[in-house]
Amino acid sequence: GAGVSQTPSNKVTEKGKYVELRCDPISGHTALYWYRQSLGQGPEFLIYFQGTGAADDSGLPNDRFFAVRPEGSVSTLKIQRTERGDSAVYLCASSPDGNTEAFFGQGTRLTVV
Amino acid sequence: DQQVKQNSPSLSVQEGRISILNCDYTNSMFDYFLWYKKYPAEGPTFLISISSIKDKNEDGRFTVFLNKSAKHLSLHIVPSQPGDSAVYFCAAITDTGNQFYFGTGTSLTVIP
Repeated sequence: GAGVSQTPSNKVTEKGKYVELRCDPISGHTALYWYRQSLGQGPEFLIYFQGTGAADDSGLPNDRFFAVRPEGSVSTLKIQRTERGDSAVYLCASSPDGNTEAFFGQGTRLTVV
Repeated sequence: DQQVKQNSPSLSVQEGRISILNCDYTNSMFDYFLWYKKYPAEGPTFLISISSIKDKNEDGRFTVFLNKSAKHLSLHIVPSQPGDSAVYFCAAITDTGNQFYFGTGTSLTVIP
């Protein structure tokens, strides 16, 4: 079955570079979430989309982070001027309508060197 | 401010016995709770959930109990199997909220 797909699965980038992480949610799911997980921690909320709009971006750590979902399906998380502290697994999840269970992708492991 | 807490980082259980994973929360506005299971190099997989209007939800070997007055929930796995070895995350959300709050996880090892 078509679950949540994230690409790339791994990304190594140099400090200061720009990266884009892609998420393909489950078809028909209107709610889409981005989370970040560091070693030994639970997933940490970044941003929530309902349809095309960012309904809650309160988890984005600073203005280097930005996410879009222009057609209400695929989403891209964009990180500018990457820092070593950005290294983590970035998880995307989708939900039929929000407030019920969300289904996660396998994540993108970002390493900033 | 950790609103969802899992105070046991790890748990080891013999195969066939019961595994009990615990979770505490501080936000009384949470009304939906979930458990996720995570294997290495994979994303979290939804396991079971419970609404605040219930105190128990069962699905096969997995049962979640909710004690709202104590702001505590637990996941029971019985009988435990080696394939259950994974990290388990507790999560919660309010009825108007836009984000799931996760605990830090409990690593379960089921010993054959």
